Amino acid sequence: DGGITQSPKYLFRKEGQNVTLSCEQNLNHDAMYWYRQDPGQGLRLIYYSQIVNDFQKGDIAEGYSVSREKKESFPLTVTSAQKNPTAFYLCASSISGQGAYEQYFGPGTRLTVT
Amino acid sequence: QQQVKQSPQSLIVQKGGISIINCAYENTAFDYFPWYQQFPGKGPALLIAIRPDVSEKKEGRFTISFNKSAKQFSLHIMDSQPGDSATYFCAARNTGNQFYFGTGTSLTVIP
Repeated sequence: DGGITQSPKYLFRKEGQNVTLSCEQNLNHDAMYWYRQDPGQGLRLIYYSQIVNDFQKGDIAEGYSVSREKKESFPLTVTSAQKNPTAFYLCASSISGQGAYEQYFGPGTRLTVT
Repeated sequence: QQQVKQSPQSLIVQKGGISIINCAYENTAFDYFPWYQQFPGKGPALLIAIRPDVSEKKEGRFTISFNKSAKQFSLHIMDSQPGDSATYFCAARNTGNQFYFGTGTSLTVIP
């Protein structure tokens, strides 16, 4: 059963704590992405990675960190420096290259920080 | 700066009617334009997509119209059904494989 898994579905943390969101894919995709979704703002790119051991900042990378040690895994850490971390986080993957390659999305993790 | 502008923010359509959502972009380097459908609490799923060398693409009740000179593209949902009620996002991909999304349109189809 191919796809992208994100865990957990719901996550609650106290302010000031770092938290890591998991994203795993078995689609053999080179590219992986993290987005944040807030009401009325669409999807905003946090980080993306085109290849193992390499990643680039997106539009809203401040307060977040990532790693890409394995092709199938792209965990996102929400640090205490992120001023407004409560949001719905989506992981996606795609084939790299210039073809008409779609992004596949995971089911998302809803993070609530109080 | 919003790279892809989407309108309307919300849309209410009678069952059997046509739903139309519009998007506009500025970056002429975009090379792929997908539309996604998202249900509450779920991740977006690809609905239909188009390349800029094509002016229209149809898949079932869903059609993308693409106007390269105007840098606009739109999604048309024919014979809209209550099950189509969802949030729709347009997107555009640059040559670096980075995707930019519109702010979304919440569609409600009234039975």
